[in-house]
Amino acid sequence: DAGVTQSPTHLIKTRGQQVTLRCSPKSGHDTVSWYQQALGQGPQFIFQYYEEEERQRGNFPDRFSGHQFPNYSSELNVNALLLGDSALYLCASSLDPDLSDTQYFGPGTRLTVL
Amino acid sequence: KQEVTQIPAALSVPEGENLVLNCSFTDSAIYNLQWFRQDPGKGLTSLLLIQSSQREQTSGRLNASLDKSSGRSTLYIAASQPGDSATYLCAVRPAEYGNKLVFGAGTILRVKS
Repeated sequence: DAGVTQSPTHLIKTRGQQVTLRCSPKSGHDTVSWYQQALGQGPQFIFQYYEEEERQRGNFPDRFSGHQFPNYSSELNVNALLLGDSALYLCASSLDPDLSDTQYFGPGTRLTVL
Repeated sequence: KQEVTQIPAALSVPEGENLVLNCSFTDSAIYNLQWFRQDPGKGLTSLLLIQSSQREQTSGRLNASLDKSSGRSTLYIAASQPGDSATYLCAVRPAEYGNKLVFGAGTILRVKS
């Protein structure tokens, strides 16, 4: 049973560019959350998708947007990249949040903005 | 706004020592608290999850306690091993819609052989 997978593993972009990160949830999971982890910090919640809709959002600007597909996979898009967007982006999947507390994290995508 | 603090920020101990990691949170309205392990540049592995109604959870050499009213949790690691070297993160799930987690900055643990 495949766990949570993310692609790409590493990514280098320049300021002002746009980036798309991808996440496939664990088999059977329908909820995907995205987190940003800056170096030396704990992960910060960006947003959560359930049934193809944004269900919950953290304190991130509109430059950060997402999408969930019918197969429950998800994308995180970041526009107008800033140097401060350099971080490890983690995806977590779970069942319906009202039913389960257990979240499974992927290995992350390391984004470097130059 | 929920804030999670972890002390110490870093810890270096000799192999075999018992150790305690501390976590505090500002708002006691939580559903649960989790401890995660993160190896350098990697994702998170869940170690223990304590529901708000529970006082502690144990898994092998790990024991986590929760005092919700005082906003504190501890992770006890018995007989530490070099393979325990990693960053340990504490996270709470606020008692609100959805299951987002609020994380602390972590404790970097190094166990010397």
